[in-house]
Amino acid sequence: EAGVAQSPRYKIIEKRQSVAFWCNPISGHATLYWYQQILGQGPKLLIQFQNNGVVDDSQLPKDRFSAERLKGVDSTLKIQPAKLEDSAVYLCASSLIWGQGLSSYNEQFFGPGTRLTVL
Amino acid sequence: AQSVSQHNHHVILSEAASLELGCNYSYGGTVNLFWYVQYPGQHLQLLLKYFSGDPLVKGIKGFEAEFIKSKFSFNLRKPSVQWSDTAEYFCAVNAQGKTSYDKVIFGPGTSLSVIP
Repeated sequence: EAGVAQSPRYKIIEKRQSVAFWCNPISGHATLYWYQQILGQGPKLLIQFQNNGVVDDSQLPKDRFSAERLKGVDSTLKIQPAKLEDSAVYLCASSLIWGQGLSSYNEQFFGPGTRLTVL
Repeated sequence: AQSVSQHNHHVILSEAASLELGCNYSYGGTVNLFWYVQYPGQHLQLLLKYFSGDPLVKGIKGFEAEFIKSKFSFNLRKPSVQWSDTAEYFCAVNAQGKTSYDKVIFGPGTSLSVIP
């Protein structure tokens, strides 16, 4: 099966500029995640969608970051304006959660990421 | 709040040495557990996963992990490492039932360098 697609793979911008990332999850995966991975750290969840609804955006800096998944399939993550500390790899993942509650199983599949450098 | 810790930030081994990377989590309920690997310049790949059943899980490339519920641990092991195992290793935990959705928390990662 095709994997999670992301574009662009690399982006270099100056601070205060805007940038957008795109993600196309695996077909049929209802759940989509955006993570930020700063060099030397583990991925940090920014936002999680279930179909086209947001279920967790508690760690998303909402003053500058936004994300949408309008038709419940692909998604875009935007940063406006960018800061130096936003330099990181932005990972998109999708999963097909089966079962419910305490009997649910969630395996995530990751895309290649977009490496953002803010100068 | 749920959290995941990994014991070592950076591990250096010679080829053929045995590997054990520690992972502990803080959550008293039911969990799914994962180890991911990230080779230089590549994206995250799943090494192995635990959902239920036998606590000793075997994954790809000769890796295995043991879930010890009483210790809240999910340590990764490999009896004999190769140079090609040089990578970043991440432990991740999916805490079930805490909210209406499943949330996956990643550890900070352990960088493994294998010397030929």
